[in-house]
Amino acid sequence: GENVEQHPSTLSVQEGDSAVIKCTYSDSASNYFPWYKQELGKRPQLIIDIRSNVGEKKDQRIAVTLNKTAKHFSLHITETQPEDSAVYFCAASFVPGGGAQKLVFGQGTRLTINP
Amino acid sequence: DSGVTQTPKHLITATGQRVTLRCSPRSGDLSVYWYQQSLDQGLQFLIQYYNGEERAKGNILERFSAQQFPDLHSELNLSSLELGDSALYFCASSVGSGPWGETQYFGPGTRLLVL
Repeated sequence: GENVEQHPSTLSVQEGDSAVIKCTYSDSASNYFPWYKQELGKRPQLIIDIRSNVGEKKDQRIAVTLNKTAKHFSLHITETQPEDSAVYFCAASFVPGGGAQKLVFGQGTRLTINP
Repeated sequence: DSGVTQTPKHLITATGQRVTLRCSPRSGDLSVYWYQQSLDQGLQFLIQYYNGEERAKGNILERFSAQQFPDLHSELNLSSLELGDSALYFCASSVGSGPWGETQYFGPGTRLLVL
């Protein structure tokens, strides 16, 4: 069935170090993989996304890599800052019958940046 | 601000009651998605509407229903409420409905507390 596994569930890094969050998905037909950042009590905000025709995408300190063969994608945050502390969710698109896309989310990673 | 609006922000009600949550999508978006986020949990997809029609269904309980109106706003109706329905309910919108990777933008959410 449709499933997205996200690891780790919690991650603590020193300010300035890098953080990596990994996700695997179950459906080889998935073609869209967004990452959302959610601060406490707030809405999820899209920070970066990647489509299945691309292997890597970067936006300043954030990068996402996709390995379609392994059905695996990762978020990389470099030079972490205290404001990066939040819960991060990965997601993968699934297309049930009828052609409409839906997103299935991972369980989230609580990232803490220690000053 | 994503451009997606949700009302009310907070809702406190009693078990057995019925409530209606409202969402207005971003200007130009035709799709509306509803998600449930329980405490320290991920985002569970409930249902999607595209231009007034139901397009995809997730783990939505039979006690819950939704609709999208001609002006594209959507309402999520929750009835016979139980304690376990207490959660954050998010609405998201996108331009289309897939299948090629629609970026979803989230509203600020409605926090429902069932006592």
